Amino acid sequence: NAGVTQTPKFQVLKTGQSMTLQCAQDMNHNSMYWYRQDPGMGLRLIYYSASEGTTDKGEVPNGYNVSRLNKREFSLRLESAAPSQTSVYFCATKREGNTGELFFGEGSRLTVL
Amino acid sequence: AQRVTQPEKLLSVFKGAPVELKCNYSYSGSPELFWYVQYSRQRLQLLLRHISRESIKGFTADLNKGETSFHLKKPFAQEEDSAMYYCALRGNTPLVFGKGTRLSVIA
Repeated sequence: NAGVTQTPKFQVLKTGQSMTLQCAQDMNHNSMYWYRQDPGMGLRLIYYSASEGTTDKGEVPNGYNVSRLNKREFSLRLESAAPSQTSVYFCATKREGNTGELFFGEGSRLTVL
Repeated sequence: AQRVTQPEKLLSVFKGAPVELKCNYSYSGSPELFWYVQYSRQRLQLLLRHISRESIKGFTADLNKGETSFHLKKPFAQEEDSAMYYCALRGNTPLVFGKGTRLSVIA
């Protein structure tokens, strides 16, 4: 059981380039989330998906798009990367009915030059 | 609006000393509070939740609705407790995290 798997683990981009962060889970959870972690800012929610086919904005959605491809996969896309998007990105899932426990991936460290 | 405040960015204590990581929240409804921990080179993981009223790794946290606080406490700190700790709140939106407190336990 891999749990929550994120790819890539590290990426360096130039300003204006695009890329997609992939997240896959084998836990059969309905809800999936993308957070970014920045020093002194904690974790901030970018987008989430309560179920397959639905997505909603979080606290900091600007500059990002998401796709809930199926129940297992939830991708995060940066169409035109900016230095302000340099961060560590975490994907997480939550079991239906569970009151709050999130299961996190290992994180993807993105640097935009 | 839901908000979580962790006033300390860094907390350093000596091994064997008591630890208290502060967390205050703002939410008009009935909140669910959690503590998450991130050890070096490990995934963020749930430490404890207020509804369970349990002790995990010697840590406890009591929800004080009057003071809107959910402080994390441990009577005797261990070196392996050194980590990043996040307080989180679930109200009517997905989990909202505080900015985190880095705990450093000095031998």
